[in-house]
Amino acid sequence: DSGVTQTPKHLITATGQRVTLRCSPRSGDLSVYWYQQSLDQGLQFLIQYYNGEERAKGNILERFSAQQFPDLHSELNLSSLELGDSALYFCASSAGTYIGNEQFFGPGTRLTVL
Amino acid sequence: DAKTTQPTSMDCAEGRAANLPCNHSTISGNEYVYWYRQIHSQGPQYIIHGLKNNETNEMASLIITEDRKSSTLILPHATLRDTAVYYCIVRDGRETSGSRLTFGEGTQLTVNP
Repeated sequence: DSGVTQTPKHLITATGQRVTLRCSPRSGDLSVYWYQQSLDQGLQFLIQYYNGEERAKGNILERFSAQQFPDLHSELNLSSLELGDSALYFCASSAGTYIGNEQFFGPGTRLTVL
Repeated sequence: DAKTTQPTSMDCAEGRAANLPCNHSTISGNEYVYWYRQIHSQGPQYIIHGLKNNETNEMASLIITEDRKSSTLILPHATLRDTAVYYCIVRDGRETSGSRLTFGEGTQLTVNP
């Protein structure tokens, strides 16, 4: 158990819909990262938040947005869903310190868009 | 971040050491070598990381060559539960708030009974 929790575990929805994925980082971790893993693209970094502020952006679509709340939990919002958005979405957290900075991953949310 | 090259797949007998190589010939002085693994569709799991010196923890050992252009992850006594995709990742250690992990294809390690 990494200490990172993600809800829900599974999500099935239809094209055009909007969903919200939730992540609670390990206690004390300030940085939260979101990754997407699809069959054809592998594990890809989407976005990072550090202590409530966006810190880095990767291959995140404009239809996707995220935020980190004062209690440090984070949400990833996916809208106007397409079939190609079906994937595993992982959240990770790290302490946000200079040395080490190993990231600890949650169990993921499996999104299926029908 | 520097690019890494890993074999696509490897096999290992249960109880034997698994040695997973990684090439990172363009690594810069500020970049660390990290290893993660992913057991079928689970979240990636941190294994070990290092800068220059060899490192060992309860899971594995990391051997980094003197020129830092390659490294080897060693699982000393592989078990069936070590069957996973192993990712070697190079990332800059200067970012004080942490930085993204750039995953490549990794090595599928299969431990056989």
